[in-house]
Amino acid sequence: GAVVSQHPSWVICKSGTSVKIECRSLDFQATTMFWYRQFPKQSLMLMATSNEGSKATYEQGVEKDKFLINHASLTLSTLTVTSAHPEDSSFYICSARNLAGGLVQETQYFGPGTRLLVL
Amino acid sequence: GQNIDQPTEMTATEGAIVQINCTYQTSGFNGLFWYQQHAGEAPTFLSYNVLDGLEEKGRFSSFLSRSKGYSYLLLKELQMKDSASYLCAVLDSNYQLIWGAGTKLIIKP
Repeated sequence: GAVVSQHPSWVICKSGTSVKIECRSLDFQATTMFWYRQFPKQSLMLMATSNEGSKATYEQGVEKDKFLINHASLTLSTLTVTSAHPEDSSFYICSARNLAGGLVQETQYFGPGTRLLVL
Repeated sequence: GQNIDQPTEMTATEGAIVQINCTYQTSGFNGLFWYQQHAGEAPTFLSYNVLDGLEEKGRFSSFLSRSKGYSYLLLKELQMKDSASYLCAVLDSNYQLIWGAGTKLIIKP
């Protein structure tokens, strides 16, 4: 299989605090993971590509100092939203590619997502 | 620029067949994906096409024509649980996944 988990599934926090979201590939190794954000009734927006052992690649318009990504192992990537504000409230979803198997190496398998609400 | 077009919303009847179209203009092509996303949930993988033709997988089939920059997802024997958004995504020459905005499919009894 290609199972990806995310934790936590729900976060409610005060403005100004930092929130860490974990993304894990449970049954495969993922050298590359992706972080997306999705606002209600809108399409997925790729925020950054997380590469194991190296710096993440951020999409244009995404502040790398605000959205810290760490991909310390082949099964774990973390996204930290620093000094969160209400406009950061969104659905954050990670995905991973299973290059060692699966129907297609480029297929992205998604975690269940994390809903962030900043008050 | 890169562009993926799919209808915003479609309505169909339970038990019927529906075809969701996707046209694309991208810099290079390394395959096209279809994902299903239920409201409030993350996308789940449905299909991948890289060669022209029809790929059938149970009630769902996906078709690709590279020369026309066109794909469709065909859903047969529609069930209420098929109500979801269907996302078309193309892998470009840099192996970047370009996402369409999704088609919301509403199934009526």
